[in-house]
Amino acid sequence: ELKVEQNPLFLSMQEGKNYTIYCNYSTTSDRLYWYRQDPGKSLESLFVLLSNGAVKQEGRLMASLDTKARLSTLHITAAVHDLSATYFCAVAGGGNEKLTFGTGTRLTIIP
Amino acid sequence: NAGVTQTPKFRVLKTGQSMTLLCAQDMNHEYMYWYRQDPGMGLRLIHYSVGEGTTAKGEVPDGYNVSRLKKQNFLLGLESAAPSQTSVYFCASSYSLPPEIPSNEQFFGPGTRLTVL
Repeated sequence: ELKVEQNPLFLSMQEGKNYTIYCNYSTTSDRLYWYRQDPGKSLESLFVLLSNGAVKQEGRLMASLDTKARLSTLHITAAVHDLSATYFCAVAGGGNEKLTFGTGTRLTIIP
Repeated sequence: NAGVTQTPKFRVLKTGQSMTLLCAQDMNHEYMYWYRQDPGMGLRLIHYSVGEGTTAKGEVPDGYNVSRLKKQNFLLGLESAAPSQTSVYFCASSYSLPPEIPSNEQFFGPGTRLTVL
């Protein structure tokens, strides 16, 4: 059974600082997704990582995938308040493109 | 394109009542999914469908039924609602397996907030 763990679950950080969210998963997969969710809203796709060593960047967010270590990271550079949200990683596995989600990281950026 | 839409947005039920949640997508996606989101537990897959007329159980299927009579619609039914089914329900859709769409990301609807008293 595929298990996905995210840490930290909660993250409060000051504007301008850097931080990393970690996503570990338990079985082999070559496809990992990062989503963002604002309070009371739906999930918005941020990144799709398809192979070992894949790196994607959008603005102050950068995601990477190490399939050998079964680890993905979401790095935040020089955080700004607009990045406050809950971030989920999701791993493809179990056939038919089912995704298993991590529990999410609630990120709060403090001015 | 509207993308993925869900009806209703909010609903309050009494224990034992039944209801149906409707999900519709206009992207011609083969796959559709129903998830529930509870605090501290991420999203959990209830049921999914890999095409018109097909359905399959996900991680937490008990107490729910689904139907996919048309490709664009996926219905989630609660026959006898229980307080444990109080949650936010999300529908999602995606293309079929690669190589047509290698990324095959799931697109989510706005959610339905259900409270069972």
